[in-house]
Amino acid sequence: EVQLVESGGGLVQPGGSLRLSCAASGFTFTTYRMNWVRQAPGKGLELISYISSTSSAIFYADSVTGRFTISRDNAKNSLYLQMNSLRDEDTAIYYCARGTSMSTIAPILYWGQGTLVTVSS
Amino acid sequence: DIVLTQSPGTLSLSPGERATLSCRASQSVTSSYLAWYQQKPGRAPRLLIYGVSSRATGIPDRFSGSGSGTDFTLTISRLEPEDLAVYYCQQYGNSPYTFGQGTKLEIK
Repeated sequence: EVQLVESGGGLVQPGGSLRLSCAASGFTFTTYRMNWVRQAPGKGLELISYISSTSSAIFYADSVTGRFTISRDNAKNSLYLQMNSLRDEDTAIYYCARGTSMSTIAPILYWGQGTLVTVSS
Repeated sequence: DIVLTQSPGTLSLSPGERATLSCRASQSVTSSYLAWYQQKPGRAPRLLIYGVSSRATGIPDRFSGSGSGTDFTLTISRLEPEDLAVYYCQQYGNSPYTFGQGTKLEIK
């Protein structure tokens, strides 16, 4: 069974930093692109970053470019999101997510339970 | 970026009725890479449809997708109370892979 378990969310002040982690199990982590999708309270979904299986290809949405860094440790079956210079508008549930297949062109089939990040003074 | 506009914003229907949800793209969606997700309150989204019209594993045949180019539709025939949710479309053919703003489906 595929499982994605996020951790690391919490309350942080504007300008602060936070590191999210996602522990993956139940599939061959090393062969899948991985994604971070966020959802602000009462709002829609935003794919903010993805990383290829070998970390050779990385994408960031304009809203987080220069502030967030995605990484992965294939030996530990883990995905990370380092978030710096956090803003109020980064307040959201952050989901770790995996596509339907190993193809780089795939919709998201598996989602974690999400971890809440609240940016507030 | 491809902007996806969903309509209506909210849809209120009775059990047994048919729901028709629309997703319009600002430019043609590459190779029909269009998906639909269902998100129930307090839950992560669930993939319903991919490739415009293919149902994901375990999705009942009450859910169907159609369309091409810039206009896409999710149809739910014979609504059930458990279909209460927000439905999102997503294009995954052109980076950034954008989502629509969602349609909230209310069951009377």
